[in-house]
Amino acid sequence: QVTLRESGPVLVKPTETLTLTCTISGFSLSDARMGVSWVRQPPGKALEWVAQIFSRGDKFYSTSLKTRLSISKDTSKSQVVLTMANVDPADTGTYFCTRIFGDAFSSLDFWGRGTLVTVSS
Amino acid sequence: DIQMTQSPSSLSASLGDKVTITCRSSQTITPYLNWYQHKIGKAPELLIYAASTLQTGVPSRFRGGGSGTEFTLTISSLQVDDVATYYCQQSYSTPYTFGQGTKLE
Repeated sequence: QVTLRESGPVLVKPTETLTLTCTISGFSLSDARMGVSWVRQPPGKALEWVAQIFSRGDKFYSTSLKTRLSISKDTSKSQVVLTMANVDPADTGTYFCTRIFGDAFSSLDFWGRGTLVTVSS
Repeated sequence: DIQMTQSPSSLSASLGDKVTITCRSSQTITPYLNWYQHKIGKAPELLIYAASTLQTGVPSRFRGGGSGTEFTLTISSLQVDDVATYYCQQSYSTPYTFGQGTKLE
């Protein structure tokens, strides 16, 4: 059974660094067909793709956010970590981690329940 | 970045209606087009990948079509459980952009 669980702070102050962790089970980060992505949704707005990492270690970032983002994985812990520097209230929203399945044209076939992050002083 | 544009932004329909949502991409992405259903308070779910392949467990009333830069999601007979926001997404090239969503009521 594939599951993903996001964890991290509920409240972050502007200019601070946000660190979110995605803990996976039911698949391996060393599987060449797999990757993990982060998607966020500001309140009342659309889904926004943020970043992703593949089993080979290839990393990709949102064009508008890439100067503030870093994504990494720890295969032994089954975790993917997303850090976002210098956060702003516009970064408030629900952050989802998802599995990317290469055999399904890199679609996001499993999602975590999401974690709500509020950026406020 | 590839831009994804959905229409309409919102849609009101009745039980049993046939509903069609359109998604257009700024460049050819065949067949790397996926559809997701997002219900309030829940995680989004993959409905269709590769433009027309139904994800396991998704009811057959959902159908995806299209190619090139124009794609559609059709619900053949709307059910109460289908009330949600629907998103298209391209996985042709990073960043894997989403459409702005279609809210179905």
